[in-house]
Amino acid sequence: QKEVEQNSGPLSVPEGAIASLNCTYSDRGSQSFFWYRQYSGKSPELIMFIYSNGDKEDGRFTAQLNKASQYVSLLIRDSQPSDSATYLCAVGGQTGGFKTIFGAGTRLFVKA
Amino acid sequence: EAQVTQNPRYLITVTGKKLTVTCSQNMNHEYMSWYRQDPGLGLRQIYYSMNVEVTDKGDVPEGYKVSRKEKRNFPLILESPSPNQTSLYFCASSSAGTYTDTQYFGPGTRLTVL
Repeated sequence: QKEVEQNSGPLSVPEGAIASLNCTYSDRGSQSFFWYRQYSGKSPELIMFIYSNGDKEDGRFTAQLNKASQYVSLLIRDSQPSDSATYLCAVGGQTGGFKTIFGAGTRLFVKA
Repeated sequence: EAQVTQNPRYLITVTGKKLTVTCSQNMNHEYMSWYRQDPGLGLRQIYYSMNVEVTDKGDVPEGYKVSRKEKRNFPLILESPSPNQTSLYFCASSSAGTYTDTQYFGPGTRLTVL
């Protein structure tokens, strides 16, 4: 069983819509959660991080964390074609270690 | 400019020929890490280092070596590369050496082993 799971997609949404990206993780001891965006051929860049249950908003992006359900999501409001990329969920602070585990990523296409 | 640099960016080599991929950061970060990225598998951690002379295995360390003699540098060594090590490699660093910190990634090294 993969430790961090994401839908591979592709997820296709029209411009201006809300894109919803989901991620589940297996280690209940995980303490930090990150969303990275990766354009094709480029390196990952951080969009948001979240440590506590609930929602965290930053501009058009909202991260949601539910530790009881071991679930983290990223909402992108007013999606733009420039948001088309692969979104990587990463989980850190696993029990007893300092590793960061990444999901395989979800490809998002925003149609103009 | 704060950055993580990697060299080379592209490398084609043959099985068994030792190679080193360099990684350097200018942000005085304690934590550095190497990942490989393969289609459908995402980023997998190879090795990480909490500080100078402190390294530990990630999820896929077989066939790789690392060293951390200076804070800014964290080279990845493939003593005897094999075709299954063909991949896209990223170096990353973060401050404070904890799992809670954002990692900053280098531009990547695309390695092909024939």
